Amino acid sequence: DAGVIQSPRHEVTEMGQEVTLRCKPISGHNSLFWYRQTMMRGLELLIYFNNNVPIDDSGMPEDRFSAKMPNASFSTLKIQPSEPRDSAVYFCASSPRTRSEQYFGPGTRLTVT
Amino acid sequence: TQLLEQSPQFLSIQEGENLTVYCNSSSVFSSLQWYRQEPGEGPVLLVTVVTGGEVKKLKRLTFQFGDARKDSSLHITAAQPGDTGLYLCAGGFVTTDKLIFGTGTRLQVFP
Repeated sequence: DAGVIQSPRHEVTEMGQEVTLRCKPISGHNSLFWYRQTMMRGLELLIYFNNNVPIDDSGMPEDRFSAKMPNASFSTLKIQPSEPRDSAVYFCASSPRTRSEQYFGPGTRLTVT
Repeated sequence: TQLLEQSPQFLSIQEGENLTVYCNSSSVFSSLQWYRQEPGEGPVLLVTVVTGGEVKKLKRLTFQFGDARKDSSLHITAAQPGDTGLYLCAGGFVTTDKLIFGTGTRLQVFP
């Protein structure tokens, strides 16, 4: 069974450019989470969805960040415009039911120059 | 702000040694999960504890949830190089699907 799939695995872009990160959760899972990980701040929750509906986006840093989940098998995290301080590893995770374990994807390493 | 502090932050030991990692908070959690993350990969769940005082064993790893459900510990017996990685605790709540992740303990086991 395939795990959580994220693309791209690595992204290098220039400041001001739009960046779109993609995630395919595990089939049948009804919760999806977007995290950002840095050495300074650790693993931070950005936003999560239940049954494709955004439930809590209080971790989204600012209006430059947006996330969508148009269907149960796909989600995107968009940064527009990107800034050097957005450089981090972004993880997507899915969960089979509420308040249960989370399964993480391999992450997207974003570098903004 | 809910915060989960882990200690130590870094740990370098020789193969065969024992170690304990701590996860502490002022908040009460309904559950506590431990994850291990290897370089270039996402965290992988090791265990979930839900009852105050609960102890779970996973081969050489022993996990304990504090009686008051505010803290947890992970003890590794006879560490092996394969145990190397970032260990993260994560607290869960009854009222939300969010997990609060700890600050992490980076373990290096040398052969």
